[in-house]
Amino acid sequence: QKEVEQNSGPLSVPEGAIASLNCTYSDRGSQSFFWYRQYSGKSPELIMSIYSNGDKEDGRFTAQLNKASQYVSLLIRDSQPSDSATYLCAVSNQAGTALIFGKGTTLSVSS
Amino acid sequence: GAVVSQHPSRVICKSGTSVKIECRSLDFQATTMFWYRQFPKKSLMLMATSNEGSKATYEQGVEKDKFLINHASLTLSTLTVTSAHPEDSSFYICSARDPWGDIQYFGAGTRLSVL
Repeated sequence: QKEVEQNSGPLSVPEGAIASLNCTYSDRGSQSFFWYRQYSGKSPELIMSIYSNGDKEDGRFTAQLNKASQYVSLLIRDSQPSDSATYLCAVSNQAGTALIFGKGTTLSVSS
Repeated sequence: GAVVSQHPSRVICKSGTSVKIECRSLDFQATTMFWYRQFPKKSLMLMATSNEGSKATYEQGVEKDKFLINHASLTLSTLTVTSAHPEDSSFYICSARDPWGDIQYFGAGTRLSVL
C-alpha cells in the first residue's frame, strides 16, 4: 500500500522563525508532489507544487524535493500567526490519476 | 488557481432523508473529480473518483449504493447520501483535477449533520 508519512505535530515556532515541514513517500514512481494548507473547519488549499529534484521558491514558501531519498519538505520563512494550520503533503500515484495524502502536520505560530 | 464551487456548505437533515451535494468546476473542464470525507482532526479519506460520462470508482469500504455519485457533465459532479444516518455526519469535500496535469483544486466542503 502506497503511503505518505508526515509528523502529526504540533510543530510550534515563534513568529518570524522558519518552520520546516517534512514528508516521506513510498511510491518511487510518483512524479508530482504538492503541499496543501488546511485551516480548521475549512477545505485544503494548494500552496506549492513541485515536480523536479531541488528547490522551488514562492514568496515565503520553499518546497524541496529529493526523489532518491523519497523526501519532500516545505520551509516557511518569517512565519506568521496566520500560517497556523494543518499542512498536507500529497503525492501522485504512479499513474498520475490520484493523489495520496499524508495525515498532515499541525503548525502553530505564536506571536 | 482554479475555482471549484461546492454547495451547500452546511446541511442539517433528519435521519432517513437523502442529501445531494454539488461540486462545480467554474473555470475549467474537469473530466475527473474526487469526493473525500473528513472526520474532526482526522485526515482526508478518499471515497470515490468520479469520471465524466462513466461510473464512479469507489474506494474499498465505501458503499456505492449509499453514496451515489453522478458526473454528467465536464463541470458538475454530485454526491447523494441516501437514507442518511447520524454516523454519516461528517465534512464532505470535493476536488477537481485540472485538465493540464494532476493538481487537485478543492471545493469549500459541506458539513453534514444528520439528526
